Amino acid sequence: NAGVTQTPKFQVLKTGQSMTLQCAQDMNHNSMYWYRQDPGMGLRLIYYSASEGTTDKGEVPNGYNVSRLNKREFSLRLESAAPSQTSVYFCASTIQGARAEAFFGQGTRLTVV
Amino acid sequence: GQQVMQIPQYQHVQEGEDFTTYCNSSTTLSNIQWYKQRPGGHPVFLIQLVKSGEVKKQKRLTFQFGEAKKNSSLHITATQTTDVGTYFCAGPGSSNTGKLIFGQGTTLQVKP
Repeated sequence: NAGVTQTPKFQVLKTGQSMTLQCAQDMNHNSMYWYRQDPGMGLRLIYYSASEGTTDKGEVPNGYNVSRLNKREFSLRLESAAPSQTSVYFCASTIQGARAEAFFGQGTRLTVV
Repeated sequence: GQQVMQIPQYQHVQEGEDFTTYCNSSTTLSNIQWYKQRPGGHPVFLIQLVKSGEVKKQKRLTFQFGEAKKNSSLHITATQTTDVGTYFCAGPGSSNTGKLIFGQGTTLQVKP
């Protein structure tokens, strides 16, 4: 039982490059989340998907797009990476919304130079 | 929008001392969750509190939810080096959309 799987684990991008962070869960969860973690800032919500086919902006959505491909997968895309997007990105899922335990992936450490 | 404020940001204690982190919300929360993140790891769920005034214990950890459901605390008795990490509280975003909003976290260092 893998839980929440994120790929890649590490990535270095040049300013202006694009990339997609992949996330998949095998727990049949409805809700999925993308967070970024920066020192002293905690976990900030980028985008949220309540269920397949729906997405909603979080606290810091600018510069990102998401796609809820199906119930299992929720991807995060950086169209034109900027150094300010250097961060650790976490994907998480819950059975339904914010009243259930969230399960996190291992994280993606992204550096934009 | 919903804000969850957590203090202190950092805490250094001697092994055996107690530790407390506090979480305050700008609005009433339907529930609050606590997570622990070990250095280099990912957040792991510890507990959820739902009822006003609720107190739950897990071994040396005591979790409280305020009477007004706008604040919460995590207290660790007699810290050990295994308690090192960052502790986060998290609550629902405003408008009951299902968003899960995290506090800034409290990083605990324990000196042996």
